[in-house]
Amino acid sequence: EVQLVESGGGLVQPGGSLRLSCAASGFTFSSYWIHWVRQAPGKGLVWVSRIKSDGSSTLYAESVKGRFTISRDNVKNTLYLQMNSLRAEDTAMYYCAMYGGGSGWFWGQGTLVTVSS
Amino acid sequence: EIVLTQSPGTLSLSPGERATLSCRASQSVSSSYLAWYQQKPGQAPRLLIYGASTRATGIPDRFSGSGSGTDFTLTISRLEPEDFAVYYCQQYGSSPLTFGGGTKVEIK
Repeated sequence: EVQLVESGGGLVQPGGSLRLSCAASGFTFSSYWIHWVRQAPGKGLVWVSRIKSDGSSTLYAESVKGRFTISRDNVKNTLYLQMNSLRAEDTAMYYCAMYGGGSGWFWGQGTLVTVSS
Repeated sequence: EIVLTQSPGTLSLSPGERATLSCRASQSVSSSYLAWYQQKPGQAPRLLIYGASTRATGIPDRFSGSGSGTDFTLTISRLEPEDFAVYYCQQYGSSPLTFGGGTKVEIK
């Protein structure tokens, strides 16, 4: 069974940093591109970043470019999102998501990031 | 990037009625890489449909997806009480992934 489990969220002050993790199991992690998607309270879904299966290529939304870094460890089967220079508008639930081809999309349950003083 | 516009914003219906949700793309969605999700408060999005018309595992057959190119539709044939929620479309045919703004299906 495919499982994606996010962790690392919490309360952080503006300008602070946080690293999110997404632990994967039930599939060959190193074969799939993985995405981060966020959802601000009461708002819709917004794509944040994605990383290629071998980590050689990354892409970011303009709103986080230069502040967030996506990475992965294909030995530990874990995806990361390093978030620096956090702003109030980064407050959101953060989900990792993976397209499994013929099986469709798989999402984690999310981890909440709150940026507030 | 591809902009997805969902309509209506809110759909007020009674249990047993048919719901028709629209998702229109600003440009053609490659290979019908269009998905639909259901989301309830406090929960992660639940995949309903992918590839425009393929039901995800465990999804009841009252949910169906159709369309191609720039116009897509999610139909719920007969609303059950548990179907009242927010629904999002997502395109994954081109980077970046994009989502529609959502349609809320509420009890009339």
